[in-house]
Amino acid sequence: GENVEQHPSTLSVQEGDSAVIKCTYSDSASNYFPWYKQELGKRPQLIIDIRSNVGEKKDQRIAVTLNKTAKHFSLHITETQPEDSAVYFCAASKDNQGGKLIFGQGTELSVKP
Amino acid sequence: GAVVSQHPSRVICKSGTSVKIECRSLDFQATTMFWYRQFPKQSLMLMATSNEGSKATYEQGVEKDKFLINHASLTLSTLTVTSAHPEDSSFYICSALIRIRGYTDTQYFGPGTRLTVL
Repeated sequence: GENVEQHPSTLSVQEGDSAVIKCTYSDSASNYFPWYKQELGKRPQLIIDIRSNVGEKKDQRIAVTLNKTAKHFSLHITETQPEDSAVYFCAASKDNQGGKLIFGQGTELSVKP
Repeated sequence: GAVVSQHPSRVICKSGTSVKIECRSLDFQATTMFWYRQFPKQSLMLMATSNEGSKATYEQGVEKDKFLINHASLTLSTLTVTSAHPEDSSFYICSALIRIRGYTDTQYFGPGTRLTVL
């Protein structure tokens, strides 16, 4: 079945620096890739997503890139702020899975002021 | 985005009792909801897919008689942990699969329920 690998498991950056989190997936039929942010004890919140018909999507300081050939996608956060500190999860799904998501292991991002 | 509520947010119960957790999609109908379990510092583990009007589909290794799921309406799914034991203590999160304005079906998560079994 589908497997999603996420790296790194922890990431510490200085405020203002950029952060990059990478995920690889195994099923080439996957075509939808959301990213969720989860603060401690809170719900995962969708921050950005991308479908396989585009290679990049940007929303203010957040961007996601997708390389279908290599089967990997990345989250880029620029000008990081302390409030960006959280656990970030990538996920993948495909059309015939009824919306079921396969999650990566998560990355704990710490932004130091 | 869509709003999904979950109740209760925290529950403490004695071993052997049953606990019901409600998941509601407040502003959109959801024919499909998902139930996850999350251990500290770990990813979301899918337990089951809840479909309105039909039986839930459980992931491998999840006991369907232990974790009863009922999706009685297009806005409500419930998870009942039967005969709870301390090892069932965990953070349970639901999500609703929602399509907004023809966009991709997206999972919106509830705030989670912290279950502690004494």
